[in-house]
Amino acid sequence: EIVLTQSPATLSLSPGEGATLSCRASQGVSNHLAWYQHKPGQGPRLLIYDASNRATGIPARFSGSGSGTDFTLSISSLEPEDFAIYYCQQHYRWLTFGGGTKVEI
Amino acid sequence: QVQLVQSGAEVKKPGASVKVSCKASGYTFSGYYIYWLRQAPGDGLEWMGWINPNSGGTNYAQKFQGWVTMTRDTSISTVYMELNRLKSEDTAMYYCARGASVESTVTFYHFDYWGQGTQVTVSP
Repeated sequence: EIVLTQSPATLSLSPGEGATLSCRASQGVSNHLAWYQHKPGQGPRLLIYDASNRATGIPARFSGSGSGTDFTLSISSLEPEDFAIYYCQQHYRWLTFGGGTKVEI
Repeated sequence: QVQLVQSGAEVKKPGASVKVSCKASGYTFSGYYIYWLRQAPGDGLEWMGWINPNSGGTNYAQKFQGWVTMTRDTSISTVYMELNRLKSEDTAMYYCARGASVESTVTFYHFDYWGQGTQVTVSP
């Protein structure tokens, strides 16, 4: 099983600041990696697919990069609605998710 | 717009079964795989399996084989997930999510739309 390790577990920031979230795979997944935003009481929301492509309707302040084993989700300037939990997911071999990064105020 | 709407919360006793529904709208129901995933308290997201709404074909994660059944009713654009022999460890939020097109060469993919989640609680 491909293990995805996200860091940090928690990121404490203020609105307007930038955020950098990391996802590391235990083996290469090419670019078969997605990022999701998850808020309480809702299903996760797709932000980025294939490592760097923004999903439909996702603001430009969200960007993804990386390939192989190391991936990054960047949020250029946090809006109040961006405080949530973020998960990475690989679909290179079966499906696994990272443990999540909580972005809190 | 694309929507996946799940059935409401369930409370079950150990050993019972639960059946959760996921009604799709806003797209061609038979055109995309539907996955079921769950998240137990304090745990990460875990995929359970998928159903091809066009053919009815299924693929279950090894952990859930013999224990979960996924079906669909094309007349009402709804998929179902039934989990048997419930244990307290099955207490979790269960999600349906839309995956790849059934015409693609891949079945494992990212998920562009998710249901709102169904809380299943297993308690004596």
